[in-house]
Order: sequence, then C-alpha cells, then structure tokens
Amino acid sequence: EAGVAQSPRYKIIEKRQSVAFWCNPISGHATLYWYQQILGQGPKLLIQFQNNGVVDDSQLPKDRFSAERLKGVDSTLKIQPAKLEDSAVYLCASSLEVWAFFGQGTRLTVV
Amino acid sequence: GESVGLHLPTLSVQEGDNSIINCAYSNSASDYFIWYKQESGKGPQFIIDIRSNMDKRQGQRVTVLLNKTVKHLSLQIAATQPGDSAVYFCAETISGGGADGLTFGKGTHLIIQP
Repeated sequence: EAGVAQSPRYKIIEKRQSVAFWCNPISGHATLYWYQQILGQGPKLLIQFQNNGVVDDSQLPKDRFSAERLKGVDSTLKIQPAKLEDSAVYLCASSLEVWAFFGQGTRLTVV
Repeated sequence: GESVGLHLPTLSVQEGDNSIINCAYSNSASDYFIWYKQESGKGPQFIIDIRSNMDKRQGQRVTVLLNKTVKHLSLQIAATQPGDSAVYFCAETISGGGADGLTFGKGTHLIIQP
C-alpha cells in the first residue's frame, strides 16, 4: 500500500514570502489532516478535511494559512506571508477509520 | 495548554531491557488513545492503540496500559532493540464525532544503550 506522499521535502524561504505544500493521501482515505510540528514538540492539528469539506480548522491561523482539498483527494496548504515562527515540519496524514497514517513531512525554514 | 503530556523528555535504557514510557492526559472526554513512534526525518508511525473501554492491549513486543482513574497511559516495549530508538508520542482523541484530529503530547526520546 502506497503511503501518504508530500512535497517538497524541504523548503527555505524568506519571511513575508509565500509557500505551498502538497499532499496526496492514501487512496480511499476520506479524512485528511494537516499538522504543524515545531522542533521538540508533538504535532499540532491545523486542519481536518472529510472528503473536500472542512471538519475542523479551529487551530489554523486563517490570516496567513489556507488549505484546500479539491475533489476530495489531494490537498495543498499555503502560508502567505510566512513568519519566522512558521519554521516547522508540516505533516499531512490521512485516515480511513480513526488512527492516521502520516507522510514524511515538509521541513520549512523561514529566514 | 497541552491536553496530553509526557513525564520525561528522555529515557535511556540498555539494549535487551524493557522500556516503559508514560503519558498523562487531561481531557476526560477522550476515548481513543494511540502511541506513535517518530524516527528522525520521518513522520509519526502508528504503534498501538487502545479504546477507553479497555485497560490493556498487547501487540508484538509492545503493551499499552490505560488507567482512566488517574488519566494515565503507558507504553511498554519488551526486549528493547537499537531500532526502537526514536521519539514516542501518545495522542488522544474523541472518536466518532467527525472532528477527531489527534492531540499529541511533547514526546519522549528513547535512547538505547549498547
């Protein structure tokens, strides 16, 4: 079974620039999550999709972060403009039931 | 603040010994708990889960114990191997409600001494 695919693996940008991350979940998984993992901490949920609808985005900083899941499959997470504190690993996960499969993440460094 | 936390940031054990990683949670409404293993540069990997109607669940070399009275979760790894070196996170959620995103603790870094 293919896992959750994410790209790019690494990204370095300057503050105030924009960045986008892409995620392809496991085939058939209706639920997709984006998590932010700051170094030394556990992942923090940003947004949860059920098919192409948002279930929970209560922790998404909506002034600068946006996410979409067109057609209920792939998803993109965008940050515009980026701040230094956005430096983190952005993890995408998908699930069929309750527990989630995670991708390898995109490591974002904002300088 | 965090609704799930871990008692120790680092745990060092001898290869072959048993490891016990502890976790405290604060959301009494949580009914589903998962342990994840995260190796450097990788995403979290599912190890074992347990529902709140159970107090123990065993897998291959791993056992999870749940004490709902004191809101405590533990992961026991038998005969620890070098490949067990990683950061271990406990995570909780309320299942069946639609919005079931996991709340993670800070993690325990398990170090295996030869």
